[in-house]
Amino acid sequence: RKEVEQDPGPFNVPEGATVAFNCTYSNSASQSFFWYRQDCRKEPKLLMSVYSSGNEDGRFTAQLNRASQYISLLIRDSKLSDSATYLCVVTRGKLIFGQGTELSVKP
Amino acid sequence: GAVVSQHPSRVICKSGTSVKIECRSLDFQATTMFWYRQFPKQSLMLMATSNEGSKATYEQGVEKDKFLINHASLTLSTLTVTSAHPEDSSFYICSAHQGAQTEAFFGQGTRLTVV
Repeated sequence: RKEVEQDPGPFNVPEGATVAFNCTYSNSASQSFFWYRQDCRKEPKLLMSVYSSGNEDGRFTAQLNRASQYISLLIRDSKLSDSATYLCVVTRGKLIFGQGTELSVKP
Repeated sequence: GAVVSQHPSRVICKSGTSVKIECRSLDFQATTMFWYRQFPKQSLMLMATSNEGSKATYEQGVEKDKFLINHASLTLSTLTVTSAHPEDSSFYICSAHQGAQTEAFFGQGTRLTVV
C-alpha cells in the first residue's frame, strides 16, 4: 500500500463545476501537508498548504483531518486553466507524493 | 519566491554514456536538495537526498554507483546518470527547501531520453 493515496482519476468536468479531491496518508508521524499542481511535462508547483483549521484561497479550499489521516481539496467554479494533475504531498523529513489525480475541465 | 534552476531541460544520449544534470538554488542557500524521478503517468519518486558537504542518502532500490550525486556547495547539486540505459529514460526533477518543513522549490526538470 502506498504511503499517500489519492483518488485514481481522471476527473472530467464541465467549466463551472465543483470538484473534490481526496487523499489519505498512512504514517501518523507525517508533519506537514500540501497540495501541488503539476502541468504536463512541467515541474510541480505549490498550490496551497493544508492545515487542520482548513484554509481557503479564492476558489480553492483545503482541509486536513489528522484523526482520520485524510486531506481534501475542493475547487469551486472550475476553469479550463485548472486542468492539471493535483498532487497530495506530506512531509516526514522529506516530501512524499501521492500518485496524483488528473483533472480535465471541458468547455 | 525562491528559484531553483535545473539544467539541461532536455537531453538525448546514447546508451552507455553518462549524463550530468545540475540543480542550482539561485537566491538562497540550500543545505539539502532532493532528486526525484517521474515516469509517465506516475508520481514523483524520491531517489536521493543530497547533503552539502557529505554523502547523499539514497532511497531503497536506487543504485548509488549509477546515480552519482555531488553537493559541493550550498547552491549546487549535480546528479550524474552513469552508463545510461534506455530504461533510465525519465523525467528527473530536483528540489530545495529554504528551511525544514517549508515549501519545496522545484527545478524545471530534465527529460532524459537514452537511445
